[in-house]
Amino acid sequence: EAGVTQSPTHLIKTRGQQATLRCSPISGHTSVYWYQQALGLGLQFLLWYDEGEERNRGNFPPRFSGRQFPNYSSELNVNALELEDSALYLCASSLTWTGSAFFGQGTRLTVV
Amino acid sequence: AQKVTQAQTEISVVEKEDVTLDCVYETRDTTYYLFWYKQPPSGELVFLIRRNSFDEQNEISGRYSWNFQKSTSSFNFTITASQVVDSAVYFCALSGGSGNTGKLIFGQGTTLQVKP
Repeated sequence: EAGVTQSPTHLIKTRGQQATLRCSPISGHTSVYWYQQALGLGLQFLLWYDEGEERNRGNFPPRFSGRQFPNYSSELNVNALELEDSALYLCASSLTWTGSAFFGQGTRLTVV
Repeated sequence: AQKVTQAQTEISVVEKEDVTLDCVYETRDTTYYLFWYKQPPSGELVFLIRRNSFDEQNEISGRYSWNFQKSTSSFNFTITASQVVDSAVYFCALSGGSGNTGKLIFGQGTTLQVKP
């Protein structure tokens, strides 16, 4: 069974541009989560989607947004990129919000 | 507020030694969940264990074991007879409670280096 898959693996953008990151959850999982792992800041919760709706949001500015599609895949959009947005972005999925979250391999975003 | 503390930033052991990674958590909720994840150099977070607040039984899985003690708010992880492949960053995490639904709160991680 396929795990959580993320694309692209690496992404290089210029400051001020927009980045779009994609995530496909494990089959049957309806909850998708996004986390940011920036150097020195640890793993920070970004967003949680379930059944197509945003259910919870971390302490990030509105230029971090996303959506969940009817097939439960998800997209994270980061607008007006700043240098400090450079980080590993990890997507996870679970059957329910109390269930175990399984992570993808991440997208490494570099803003130059 | 909920918080997870992993006081050990880095641990270095020689292969076959036993090693314990400490995790202390803070929460006011009675229902919560605790997790351990492993992050090898490739970057992917690998799920190791999930424990709910009502289950204080210790668990053993091969060389891995976990000690959950609500009295001390700790959820420690022991690797017996460590191997080089155990080298990674290990994260303890907490979820549950009002305002924190669907959200994992991670500790800062412990980097484990196992030398041959």
